[in-house]
Amino acid sequence: QQQVKQSPQSLIVQKGGISIINCAYENTAFDYFPWYQQFPGKGPALLIAIRPDVSEKKEGRFTISFNKSAKQFSLHIMDSQPGDSATYFCAAGQNENEKLTFGTGTRLTIIP
Amino acid sequence: NAGVTQTPKFRVLKTGQSMTLLCAQDMNHEYMYWYRQDPGMGLRLIHYSVGEGTTAKGEVPDGYNVSRLKKQNFLLGLESAAPSQTSVYFCASSWTPQGPSYNEQFFGPGTRLTVL
Repeated sequence: QQQVKQSPQSLIVQKGGISIINCAYENTAFDYFPWYQQFPGKGPALLIAIRPDVSEKKEGRFTISFNKSAKQFSLHIMDSQPGDSATYFCAAGQNENEKLTFGTGTRLTIIP
Repeated sequence: NAGVTQTPKFRVLKTGQSMTLLCAQDMNHEYMYWYRQDPGMGLRLIHYSVGEGTTAKGEVPDGYNVSRLKKQNFLLGLESAAPSQTSVYFCASSWTPQGPSYNEQFFGPGTRLTVL
């Protein structure tokens, strides 16, 4: 049973535009929500993460928005650049639990 | 620091053959993980370990075995490879008692395995 649903599966955005990727979770015990970025031929790497005590976290052009009541969170990439082209995974976990549950990934392509 | 390294980078097996994938980390992490990545399926946890000498099953453990004899190494074995095990395998590690409380996982570069 998939506990973290991610959409869309692929996304094409023009340079300078806003990229938005959405995730929904089922387990209300999750209290840690990271996003990982993966470039072709590489392993995923942590991009940004949020805890449910805040509704938004911003790091540079990357923002996570979190809606606890809806059990949803999203990644916004402002002023998208060709270098942002990658696969993005959302994930969810519990602080005291060593495991993360990953979404199915979104392949983002930024076109000039 | 090399971080998380994986050996080999590529491998082609015939159905029924066996092999071992090696993962090593130099960050003194307690937890280590093996994932497989397939198109449209995301990252699925195969097995994981919360410390030297311990292992536990993840989401898709069938057909795989693991061992963590040393803290820095985590081995993934395929006893009798099947075409369904064709995938990209990633190892990851996380957490030290002296580090942050959240569970940031550090991934290796992956092993691309093809089973014919």
